[in-house]
Amino acid sequence: DIQMTQSPSSLSPSVGERVIITCRASPGISKFLAWYQQKPGKAPNLLIYSATTLHSGVPSRFRGSGSGTDFTLTISSVQPEDVATYYCQQYNSAPITFGQGTRLEIK
Amino acid sequence: ELQLVQSGAEVKKPGESLKISCQASGYSFTSYWIGWVRQMPGKGLEWMGIINPRDSDTRYSPSFEGQVTISADKSITSAYLQWSGLKASDTALYYCVRTVVVTGMRGWYFDLWGRGTMVTVSS
Repeated sequence: DIQMTQSPSSLSPSVGERVIITCRASPGISKFLAWYQQKPGKAPNLLIYSATTLHSGVPSRFRGSGSGTDFTLTISSVQPEDVATYYCQQYNSAPITFGQGTRLEIK
Repeated sequence: ELQLVQSGAEVKKPGESLKISCQASGYSFTSYWIGWVRQMPGKGLEWMGIINPRDSDTRYSPSFEGQVTISADKSITSAYLQWSGLKASDTALYYCVRTVVVTGMRGWYFDLWGRGTMVTVSS
């Protein structure tokens, strides 16, 4: 199975700061990567697919980049409503696998 | 409205059977695979399996193969997740997910999620 490792496991930025979450795949997965946001007590929502494509309705402050083994999710100016756990997921090959999650809280 | 409506929370005893449901609306049910994702209390996301409602072709994660059964009824745009003998370790939140499959069944991701069905298994 492809192993997905996220870092950091948690972070606490201030409102307006830029946030970067990293996801590493082993082995590489080309650009077959999705990002999800799960707000507290809610179901996850798709943010990004194909590593860089923003899902419909997702604010433009979210950006995905990377290919192969290293990927990032950037929030350009974090907002209070971005408090959530973020997961990456590879779909290069079955079984599809998720990262362990990154919890974002606001300082 | 585009949505997946899941059945309500369940409390069961070990060894009991259970079937939870997910009804889709707002899109062509047979145009997308539909699947299930588990989230154990305080933990991350685990893909369980997917089914093609058009022909009931089903793919399971090796971790869940033989442990659960996924089915679908296209006449009522519904998918199901079933256990024949629940264990305490099945206690979790189960999400129904609309699945976007990459050409050639290479892999898939999930673009629409239900609100989840909480299953609690306790003696």
